[in-house]
Amino acid sequence: AQRVTQPEKLLSVFKGAPVELKCNYSYSGSPELFWYVQYSRQRLQLLLRHISRESIKGFTADLNKGETSFHLKKPFAQEEDSAMYYCALGEDNTDKLIFGTGTRLQVFP
Amino acid sequence: NAGVTQTPKFQVLKTGQSMTLQCAQDMNHNSMYWYRQDPGMGLRLIYYSASEGTTDKGEVPNGYNVSRLNKREFSLRLESAAPSQTSVYFCASRGTLNEQFFGPGTRLTVL
Repeated sequence: AQRVTQPEKLLSVFKGAPVELKCNYSYSGSPELFWYVQYSRQRLQLLLRHISRESIKGFTADLNKGETSFHLKKPFAQEEDSAMYYCALGEDNTDKLIFGTGTRLQVFP
Repeated sequence: NAGVTQTPKFQVLKTGQSMTLQCAQDMNHNSMYWYRQDPGMGLRLIYYSASEGTTDKGEVPNGYNVSRLNKREFSLRLESAAPSQTSVYFCASRGTLNEQFFGPGTRLTVL
């Protein structure tokens, strides 16, 4: 079955430190992966999609098919990065996304 | 474009009361979704609609009904609210690259 795992519920770092939010997936085909961000009491917003291979707000994510991972990284965290981050996988042959349980990132000054 | 809009933003119900959450999108998207968000559980799909006139159950459909009124609107109804339905509810629609656009959410408390 397709599944997305975000092993960390909470990740706390200091401003300027590197950040890596982990995401592992189970899927046998060619996965379609996304990162969404939710700032405090706001709606979820798309941050990255793997097919775009872009950097948004300093964040990048590389698809590693061998390790079935799509970790989100930023070299220098900022306080405004504090938010909830969700990894999502496009479900095969449907219009649905499978979301992980999310990781809360706290960046301390 | 307003994107995805939801009403109401907040609601408090007593156990057994009914209510309908409204959602509309102005992006001409075919697919729309209702999720609930609970601490430690992430986002769980309640129902979705792949096109006008069709609806399908998601992961947690019990206690809910939906109506795809037209291409723009997708409503979620709680016929007899229970405390276990206390949650934040998000509506979303699907864009052309399979990304989903979310509404601002409805914070529902059932006493």
